[in-house]
Amino acid sequence: GAVVSQHPSWVICKSGTSVKIECRSLDFQATTMFWYRQFPKQSLMLMATSNEGSKATYEQGVEKDKFLINHASLTLSTLTVTSAHPEDSSFYICSARDPQYGYTFGSGTRLTVV
Amino acid sequence: AQSVTQPDIHITVSEGASLELRCNYSYGATPYLFWYVQSPGQGLQLLLKYFSGDTLVQGIKGFEAEFKRSQSSFNLRKPSVHWSDAAEYFCAVGQNSGNTPLVFGKGTRLSVIA
Repeated sequence: GAVVSQHPSWVICKSGTSVKIECRSLDFQATTMFWYRQFPKQSLMLMATSNEGSKATYEQGVEKDKFLINHASLTLSTLTVTSAHPEDSSFYICSARDPQYGYTFGSGTRLTVV
Repeated sequence: AQSVTQPDIHITVSEGASLELRCNYSYGATPYLFWYVQSPGQGLQLLLKYFSGDTLVQGIKGFEAEFKRSQSSFNLRKPSVHWSDAAEYFCAVGQNSGNTPLVFGKGTRLSVIA
């Protein structure tokens, strides 16, 4: 089946540093990747939509300069949290449309900023 | 715009009892409907999905859901709950075409008691 590989699974970083999260579609081409954020005991909220070869579209309230999204190829999209702060600590998860299953999710990245 | 309502924030059932988790959606056309389960600290696991055809959908772990267009509902059911079913359950709606993201409900937390 369609697989999206997300790395790292978890990361701890110091406040003020940047963290990159990668999502790769392993057996299909993902022209579009969706990035979600989930705070503890809450649902998944869409942060942005990335399209291969073009600028990402951010949801209202999401700082595009803080959450840099790059979708340079049909199989790789990255989310970089720049100058991370403790309030950015969250569970980040990517998702892509695939031809057979509709939507495929990565396994998620738990970010802790200390 | 699409939206999903899960009216029950928290449900507690006894092990062996039946379960029904409610989900109502708002979408103008025929929706893609999904149920996911999430254990603490984990990613999403797809339980079942509805695209078209038979409105009663069978999923993994003994779960099923019924699409009722007249009620805009997609309730999840299980005839006999096991202690391992305790988790967070999310209903989500998507479109059957185009590169649009899934929209999630706020989730229902299921507790199972002996």
